[in-house]
Amino acid sequence: KAGVTQTPRYLIKTRGQQVTLSCSPISGHRSVSWYQQTPGQGLQFLFEYFSETQRNKGNFPGRFSGRQFSNSRSEMNVSTLELGDSALYLCASSLQGQPLGNTIYFGEGSWLTVV
Amino acid sequence: GESVGLHLPTLSVQEGDNSIINCAYSNSASDYFIWYKQESGKGPQFIIDIRSNMDKRQGQRVTVLLNKTVKHLSLQIAATQPGDSAVYFCAENIRGQGGKLIFGQGTELSVKP
Repeated sequence: KAGVTQTPRYLIKTRGQQVTLSCSPISGHRSVSWYQQTPGQGLQFLFEYFSETQRNKGNFPGRFSGRQFSNSRSEMNVSTLELGDSALYLCASSLQGQPLGNTIYFGEGSWLTVV
Repeated sequence: GESVGLHLPTLSVQEGDNSIINCAYSNSASDYFIWYKQESGKGPQFIIDIRSNMDKRQGQRVTVLLNKTVKHLSLQIAATQPGDSAVYFCAENIRGQGGKLIFGQGTELSVKP
């Protein structure tokens, strides 16, 4: 069965632009989370969606937003891009919202470079 | 941001030796812990997990130990192989916070042939 799929894999944007990243979870998974990974800050939680509702949000500015569709696919958007937004953005999915007993699987990520 | 701390940022071992990667966590409310392996250019790959009501859990060549008294987690890899070379992350889930994971900074494991 297919894993977590993220698109695009690589992209370059200019400061001030906005970007939308897409994530297709494993079939049947209803929970989708997003993380930002940078060399300096490591892996940081952005937000989690379960059944189209945002359940948790990390400590990121309002420029970072997301949504989940009825088929569990998710998108995240970053507006007014800054150089510091350059990072690997990872999507993770699990069967249910609680990780206990529900393995969380990650996609390969979307590499965003802001110039 | 929030993070789980790691004692050693890099670890170099000889092929065939055992590896031990350590992790400290700070939240007493954490009740679930996971170890992930991340190879260059790839996303984190699940290795093994453990619940807070357990002290030890074994998988294939890997063992996770949890010491709640000192809030310490370790990953032991037996007979380390070159394919084990990667960055290893511990992550914790806090009770009541859904699927949110708090990750450590990571330890880079290098296996010398």
